[in-house]
Amino acid sequence: ETGVTQSPTHLIKTRGQQVTLRCSSQSGHNTVSWYQQALGQGPQFIFQYYREEENGRGNFPPRFSGLQFPNYSSELNVNALELDDSALYLCASSSPVLNTEAFFGQGTRLTVV
Amino acid sequence: AQRVTQPEKLLSVFKGAPVELKCNYSYSGSPELFWYVQYSRQRLQLLLRHISRESIKGFTADLNKGETSFHLKKPFAQEEDSAMYYCAFRANTGFQKLVFGTGTRLLVSP
Repeated sequence: ETGVTQSPTHLIKTRGQQVTLRCSSQSGHNTVSWYQQALGQGPQFIFQYYREEENGRGNFPPRFSGLQFPNYSSELNVNALELDDSALYLCASSSPVLNTEAFFGQGTRLTVV
Repeated sequence: AQRVTQPEKLLSVFKGAPVELKCNYSYSGSPELFWYVQYSRQRLQLLLRHISRESIKGFTADLNKGETSFHLKKPFAQEEDSAMYYCAFRANTGFQKLVFGTGTRLLVSP
């Protein structure tokens, strides 16, 4: 059984640029959620994807968008990067049908300069 | 509003001492409660969830719906318990969103 993997592990971008983060879900999990974790804070829910569609969103602006692919892997895209977007971005996969807990990836550390 | 409160940023104890990490939640429905742990340089991982009623690594947590609390306890702390602990809840609706607290760093000294 493979775990949740995220790429890249670290990234530095300039304000105004766009970024794409990637996540491979754990085997058998069809739901992927993305979280933003700022320094000293707990993870904040961005959105969730199920069957290739966004089916829940937290308090994040539209410049945060995503995709889910038929193999359940997912991307998080952030446009027009701002300095406050600097954070650890976590991906989690789960299976609502099996009522599993969320399994997290190692995260991508994004620094916006 | 949906919220999780972990009042202590840092809890420092000696090895063998009892530990209690506090967690209170604010949610009008019936939540599912979790404790996640993050050891140094490792990913966030589940420690325990209230529906399983298991004791993991000597830790237990009881859901108190009257006090809306889910405190994490261990009678005798070990140095390897040093880590960041996050309390979280999920609405019992099938939706997978987790609401996390800000976390408590547990430091167990020899």
